[in-house]
Amino acid sequence: QQQVKQSPQSLIVQKGGIPIINCAYENTAFDYFPWYQQFPGKGPALLIAIRPDVSEKKEGRFTISFNKSAKQFSLHIMDSQPGDSATYFCAASKTWVTDKLIFGTGTRLQVFP
Amino acid sequence: NAGVTQTPKFRVLKTGQSMTLLCAQDMNHEYMYWYRQDPGMGLRLIHYSVGEGTTAKGEVPDGYNVSRLKKQNFLLGLESAAPSQTSVYFCASSQGQGSGGELFFGEGSRLTVL
Repeated sequence: QQQVKQSPQSLIVQKGGIPIINCAYENTAFDYFPWYQQFPGKGPALLIAIRPDVSEKKEGRFTISFNKSAKQFSLHIMDSQPGDSATYFCAASKTWVTDKLIFGTGTRLQVFP
Repeated sequence: NAGVTQTPKFRVLKTGQSMTLLCAQDMNHEYMYWYRQDPGMGLRLIHYSVGEGTTAKGEVPDGYNVSRLKKQNFLLGLESAAPSQTSVYFCASSQGQGSGGELFFGEGSRLTVL
């Protein structure tokens, strides 16, 4: 079974901090790496995604960093806010092959005022 | 826009009982999925469908059956519920091959098996 290993399991930061969530994958054929955000009582929703032709992608306060040689990617949340408190899942697959999307185990982020 | 709708949202079963979870999407998506979410386990794919009339097994298919008789609906069945099937179940849909990969999830169905 191809795995995506995610850490940490939980993360607590103060408002304005920069939480970092890390993921590592095994399958070198993976070339699509999305992050999903899930609020309590809701389903996950796509937050940001990256493909390995770039080493970094930013959307607002959210940044994905990608290290192809290390087979690792991470999510950084700049100037974190209490509204960012959620569970974050990384995932990986081959491009377009959504039926083979492998999710990490999730990181519960709490941002305190 | 309703997006992906799951029913019921909550259900309590006794061991051995059967039930069906219904998923409906109004985005004309080709692909549909059923995941289960358990603490520390992330999202695990149970079954999926790449089009009307098709189904396929995912990572954890045992104890579940599915059907996709209509493009907009995807049903997940438990024939004989077990406590190990206590979980939150999520349905998702996507446009399919060439779509960019985004999954659209429902709000989940929380199942407790006593």
